Amino acid sequence: AQTVTQSQPEMSVQEAETVTLSCTYDTSESDYYLFWYKQPPSRQMILVIRQEAYKQQNATENRFSVNFQKAAKSFSLKISDSQLGDAAMYFCAYRRGGGGADGLTFGKGTHLIIQP
Amino acid sequence: DTAVSQTPKYLVTQMGNDKSIKCEQNLGHDTMYWYKQDSKKFLKIMFSYNNKELIINETVPNRFSPKSPDKAHLNLHINSLELGDSAVYFCASSQEGIGQPQHFGDGTRLSIL
Repeated sequence: AQTVTQSQPEMSVQEAETVTLSCTYDTSESDYYLFWYKQPPSRQMILVIRQEAYKQQNATENRFSVNFQKAAKSFSLKISDSQLGDAAMYFCAYRRGGGGADGLTFGKGTHLIIQP
Repeated sequence: DTAVSQTPKYLVTQMGNDKSIKCEQNLGHDTMYWYKQDSKKFLKIMFSYNNKELIINETVPNRFSPKSPDKAHLNLHINSLELGDSAVYFCASSQEGIGQPQHFGDGTRLSIL
């Protein structure tokens, strides 16, 4: 079974600085997808970024980028120029490839605090 | 227009009651899901449906029964509610296809008294 591990229950960063959230996963599959979701206090689950395992290039979305290390099974999220609105729980998630209706396997989350 | 909508947003009820949570998506997606988020914020898949057919049924008590009248709706019915059922339940949907992200509803917070 696949597992996703987020080793940082909580992280704190000063506004405008950069922070990196860690995620490692375990799978025997070669085809899969990785995601970062953000959950602010409003409870919504918001997709931040997605990475296909077959792509070597790291995904980026504005201030958000990932460092995907397939051999190490590591998928960290970097947030540049942190803003107060980035304060939230961040969840790393895994989904097996091949289409179908597989659910996401989530890590336990990292609570990100932005200090003004 | 809300893409994935759940009702109600909050549900407070007594132990032993039966309740339902409704979910609708207007994205034209083929697949819908139910997740449970516990008090420690851990999210776990419960069910997935593809074109009205049950695909995944994780280890969930049979007091939980999903029902999909059409591919835009996936309702969750819970019988004989227990204290341990208190959680936030999220509905999600995705388009069938490789690596398509899942879009989540705003969640339903279920509290059992």
